[in-house]
Amino acid sequence: QVQLQESGPGLVKPSQTLSLTCTVSGGSISSGDHYWSWIRQPPGKGLEWIGYIYYSGTTYYNPSLKSRLIISVDTSKNQFSLKLSSVTAADTAVYSCARGGFNNGFDYWGQGTLVTVSS
Amino acid sequence: DTVMTQSPDSLAVSLGERATINCKSSQSVLYSSNNKNYLAWYRQKPGQPPQLLIYWASTRESGVPDRFSGSGSGTDFTLTINSLQAEDVAVYYCQQYYTTPLTFGGGTKVEIK
Repeated sequence: QVQLQESGPGLVKPSQTLSLTCTVSGGSISSGDHYWSWIRQPPGKGLEWIGYIYYSGTTYYNPSLKSRLIISVDTSKNQFSLKLSSVTAADTAVYSCARGGFNNGFDYWGQGTLVTVSS
Repeated sequence: DTVMTQSPDSLAVSLGERATINCKSSQSVLYSSNNKNYLAWYRQKPGQPPQLLIYWASTRESGVPDRFSGSGSGTDFTLTINSLQAEDVAVYYCQQYYTTPLTFGGGTKVEIK
């Protein structure tokens, strides 16, 4: 059974960089069978796809976040990561990692982690 | 971006009755070369991440009860929940994976009448 787990700070100051890591177990990112995505959900609101990465390092970012976003992968640790710079209160959300996005839906999700942007 | 519009925003259905949720995309998500609609449906229970119910617009994910069904093609899609159960109280989302950026509908909240 594939499992995903997000980790990282729950509080980030405005203008700083939000950094999260997703650790995958029960399956290998290196298998090349799937893309790996980040998705966020502001409190009480809907879902926004942030971007995805392939094991090779190929990425696609949501243009609305592209200028501030880096998604990377570490196949040796079976992890992928998110860095979002120059954050504001509007970036406060539950951030989730998920398997899928390219030519398929998201079939496995992490539980999500709330990141609050506040001084 | 492909805008996904769901209706209604919320609905209340009696236990055992049918719930119907609509989703309309601003452009077709039907890929003509394989005749597949790049459309998924999710159920998000309170405090949980979304769960994939349906992909390719009408294919049930493994383990999903057969009371869930998806239909539609092109730009208009429907999720039907037959015989609503208490565990189906949730917000339901449609999502297109035809083109990036991937986009979700605004969600439909289903409650018990």
